[in-house]
Amino acid sequence: ETGVTQSPTHLIKTRGQQVTLRCSSQSGHNTVSWYQQALGQGPQFIFQYYREEENGRGNFPPRFSGLQFPNYSSELNVNALELDDSALYLCASSLGGGGLRTDTQYFGPGTRLTVL
Amino acid sequence: QKEVEQDPGPLSVPEGAIVSLNCTYSNSAFQYFMWYRQYSRKGPELLMYTYSSGNKEDGRFTAQVDKSSKYISLFIRDSQPSDSATYLCAMSSSGSARQLTFGSGTQLTVLP
Repeated sequence: ETGVTQSPTHLIKTRGQQVTLRCSSQSGHNTVSWYQQALGQGPQFIFQYYREEENGRGNFPPRFSGLQFPNYSSELNVNALELDDSALYLCASSLGGGGLRTDTQYFGPGTRLTVL
Repeated sequence: QKEVEQDPGPLSVPEGAIVSLNCTYSNSAFQYFMWYRQYSRKGPELLMYTYSSGNKEDGRFTAQVDKSSKYISLFIRDSQPSDSATYLCAMSSSGSARQLTFGSGTQLTVLP
């Protein structure tokens, strides 16, 4: 167990709706990253937060947004859902700080989102 | 062309076999290399991480990195049915963000 939890486990939404996914990082981990994993593919980096500030973003549109809170929890928000947003959404936490050990990312179990 | 290429398999081997999993990459900026194992309907679990070229061993697992060829490998000795999973290679460049770029994963089945 990595100590990273995510909720909900599964979610079904319809096209055009908005969704919020939640993640609780390991205690003491200042960095959280979010990834999208389509079926049969590897995870794709969405963005990363370090001490509540966005610290890097992948090739995802602005309708994907996030928040990180001081209590090691974070959120991924997706607006105007599209069918292609159906995927497993993973969060990963790390200590942060620039070293190999501190930047190793530990993943949660994911939230499976289905957009109809 | 993807930055990281990984043979998707599926790969099926008998119990006790040596398994070789491979990834190639095109981005010379990648400095850190990882292997994750992902069971069905679970998040990826870190198996190995390395920085330099060469070999790193941990129990039945050996990670190999050849930066000159932009090629990494994971070897599993004495494979077990419990090793059946999808194996993902991942890489990152130096810098504070450390975003991971993943291969597409190789699905491995170890037959008893």
